[in-house]
Amino acid sequence: EDQVTQSPEALRLQEGESSSLNCSYTVSGLRGLFWYRQDPGKGPEFLFTLYSAGEEKEKERLKATLTKKESFLHITAPKPEDSATYLCAVQVVGNTDKLIFGTGTRLQVFP
Amino acid sequence: NAGVTQTPKFRVLKTGQSMTLLCAQDMNHEYMYWYRQDPGMGLRLIHYSVGEGTTAKGEVPDGYNVSRLKKQNFLLGLESAAPSQTSVYFCASSSISRGNYGYTFGSGTRLTVV
Repeated sequence: EDQVTQSPEALRLQEGESSSLNCSYTVSGLRGLFWYRQDPGKGPEFLFTLYSAGEEKEKERLKATLTKKESFLHITAPKPEDSATYLCAVQVVGNTDKLIFGTGTRLQVFP
Repeated sequence: NAGVTQTPKFRVLKTGQSMTLLCAQDMNHEYMYWYRQDPGMGLRLIHYSVGEGTTAKGEVPDGYNVSRLKKQNFLLGLESAAPSQTSVYFCASSSISRGNYGYTFGSGTRLTVV
């Protein structure tokens, strides 16, 4: 069964304290891995897509990496405005365009 | 460019009542999806559509119906609401040729069934 697991469930960081979020996946064939950011009361907002092991994408303080079993979202010197829930999702080969989501990591960054 | 618009934003239903949630997108996307989001369970796919006039079941379709009569609209119906359908519902759309852009989500509909 295709599955996505995110850890930790929640993470509290001091402003400037770098850390990483994990997304591990078990799929029959990976077509793409997606990262989204979700603010309270809003829909998820697209951040990155990764397609193959070794690929990396960066956007401001965020950097996403991919291996054959997991993806990391590295947050460098976070600011309070980075506080949100970060969702990971996988697209499986032969599964049309559907995404399978993890349960997310709720990040809080304190000044 | 509005993207994906969901109506209504909030709704309270009594058990047994029916309602329709509307999703409209103005990006000419081929694919549209309905997800529900519950605490600790993440986003789960209810139904999806790969084009006008076509729909398919997702992971949790029971108790819901959908229609896609026009390319830009995707309707989600609750036939007889149950408390277990209390959730936040998200509509999303994507394009065949989207490249790296992923889904575009609406802002959600918070539904409470009492």
